[in-house]
Amino acid sequence: EPEVTQTPSHQVTQMGQEVILRCVPISNHLYFYWYRQILGQKVEFLVSFYNNEISEKSEIFDDQFSVERPDGSNFTLKIRSTKLEDSAMYFCASSFMNEQFFGPGTRLTVL
Amino acid sequence: AQSVAQPEDQVNVAEGNPLTVKCTYSVSGNPYLFWYVQYPNRGLQFLLKYITGDNLVKGSYGFEAEFNKSQTSFHLKKPSALVSDSALYFCAVRDGAGRRALTFGSGTRLQVQP
Repeated sequence: EPEVTQTPSHQVTQMGQEVILRCVPISNHLYFYWYRQILGQKVEFLVSFYNNEISEKSEIFDDQFSVERPDGSNFTLKIRSTKLEDSAMYFCASSFMNEQFFGPGTRLTVL
Repeated sequence: AQSVAQPEDQVNVAEGNPLTVKCTYSVSGNPYLFWYVQYPNRGLQFLLKYITGDNLVKGSYGFEAEFNKSQTSFHLKKPSALVSDSALYFCAVRDGAGRRALTFGSGTRLQVQP
């Protein structure tokens, strides 16, 4: 069964450094998303992407964040200058119709 | 704004007994409702959805959920719990007419005792 994959599974970085989280969505899906889950808290929406542009974003998704689909398969989330409060599990998801399928997540630890 | 409430942090049930995990929602348009399950150190697995049609929807692993428009609820149920059902369950909603972003509840930990 096709699934969303994410790399790396765990990323440790220093505050102020740039990180890029990578995702390979399910191949025939049209919509792509990033969510995050701070430890012990709710899953929160960050951004959705359709037809090579951002279609929705939350207030969390500020200028420090960007997304890109650099080729036909990858979907990336870049955090330009990481802060301590960016430490969280980041989930990529994709959908064709209504249900979103999630990847296993990347645990980002900012020191 | 859309929101989801899962009033129970944890639900404990004995194996073989029926289980219910509660969810209520608020959304401006027609609700699209979802249940996801999260096992330790894993991502979110889709269980079932309600978009339209029958109020009782069936999903993976024997789970079902009942949509109740008047009570704005979408409770997750299973007739006979298994120890392997122990996990974290999330209810989510989006407005069917507009945004695709899901709003999640805070999650309910289901503990099934042998």
